[in-house]
Amino acid sequence: EAQVTQNPRYLITVTGKKLTVTCSQNMNHEYMSWYRQDPGLGLRQIYYSMNVEVTDKGDVPEGYKVSRKEKRNFPLILESPSPNQTSLYFCASSLLAGGSTDTQYFGPGTRLTVL
Amino acid sequence: EDKVVQSPLSLVVHEGDTVTLNCSYEVTNFRSLLWYKQEKKAPTFLFMLTSSGIEKKSGRLSSILDKKELSSILNITATQTGDSAIYLCAVDANNAGNMLTFGGGTRLMVKP
Repeated sequence: EAQVTQNPRYLITVTGKKLTVTCSQNMNHEYMSWYRQDPGLGLRQIYYSMNVEVTDKGDVPEGYKVSRKEKRNFPLILESPSPNQTSLYFCASSLLAGGSTDTQYFGPGTRLTVL
Repeated sequence: EDKVVQSPLSLVVHEGDTVTLNCSYEVTNFRSLLWYKQEKKAPTFLFMLTSSGIEKKSGRLSSILDKKELSSILNITATQTGDSAIYLCAVDANNAGNMLTFGGGTRLMVKP
């Protein structure tokens, strides 16, 4: 089954404790992206990757890191989480970067709470 | 800076009503506009509208793009409780990175 998976689905952590949210897709998609969703703000893009070893900042990259060492995985790293990073995070992928005909497939979301 | 605004913020209707959700945008190099439905999980894709496809319909849902007014509407006829969700509008501008700019969403609640 074609899908985007994220782990963990729920995470409660404390300020400053490094964490990683994994994202994996099994559709051989080139493009992957991370979004955060906050009430009233819609989805905002954090980082994206057009292909292996190619990553770039989105609208709200501060406090986050990503890596794309292999095509299927695109982990989101919070080196020193802060309470303002409490949010719902979505990973998404699409076949090609820059293709407006490509539907983005979203993962199930990760709800992160930073105390 | 690209901007997408949705209205209303929230809406409560009764089953069988027809609703219209609005999305307006200000972006450079518009390429397409997308509608998503989000329930208690990740957004699911509904429609994509482009200059060459300004009207889409699927069952009780339909959407129209007005490039002159820089806006789009999403219509839902004969609403059902299962239509209750947040509806997100996003615009794909021809920029590097396939970035989408999302609106804040419209929360629709359909009461029995």
